Amino acid sequence: TQLLEQSPQFLSIQEGENLTVYCNSSSVFSSLQWYRQEPGEGPVLLVTVVTGGEVKKLKRLTFQFGDARKDSSLHITAAQPGDTGLYLCAGGTGNQFYFGTGTSLTVIP
Amino acid sequence: NAGVTQTPKFQVLKTGQSMTLQCAQDMNHEYMSWYRQDPGMGLRLIHYSVGAGITDQGEVPNGYNVSRSTTEDFPLRLLSAAPSQTSVYFCASSSGERGPEAFFGQGTRLTVV
Repeated sequence: TQLLEQSPQFLSIQEGENLTVYCNSSSVFSSLQWYRQEPGEGPVLLVTVVTGGEVKKLKRLTFQFGDARKDSSLHITAAQPGDTGLYLCAGGTGNQFYFGTGTSLTVIP
Repeated sequence: NAGVTQTPKFQVLKTGQSMTLQCAQDMNHEYMSWYRQDPGMGLRLIHYSVGAGITDQGEVPNGYNVSRSTTEDFPLRLLSAAPSQTSVYFCASSSGERGPEAFFGQGTRLTVV
């Protein structure tokens, strides 16, 4: 059973385009994290969202936590080739932390 | 800054062999965990530990053992390797205060033939 579903699974866009990836769950999380993973490396934390409705910005990346704390989105403005990677959301219940299925993003120069 | 160190980076095992994947962190984190990553499955939690001497099962614990004798080390043991355990394994540590704000190792790519 996958607690966190991400969509789309794959995304290939041209440099300069905007995109949004989604992370959805039927469970409520006390916080939700977004990670980026590059080939051959471990995931690296981008952001944590805690409050329902919270919006956080990290340069061209905007993260939003749903009001009910069950879903989140990541919006990238004017994507660049350096944004290429696997984007993973993660949430916790108790001491167990679950990762989403991931969105593999390719930005074509 | 060592962070989380995993060894080995690559390993090939024959079916039935046993081995231990090593993980060490130098951030004094209480929470450590092991994940496996398979195509299309994201990362799945194998085992985790909330402190020295305390371990618990995650989502996919079968075929794996862990122990936590010190805060720094959290080895993962494969008792009798099976082809289904071919995967990339990641160790992570976190302070645990704000959910899985985890630091990951570079991973171990394991192939069981």
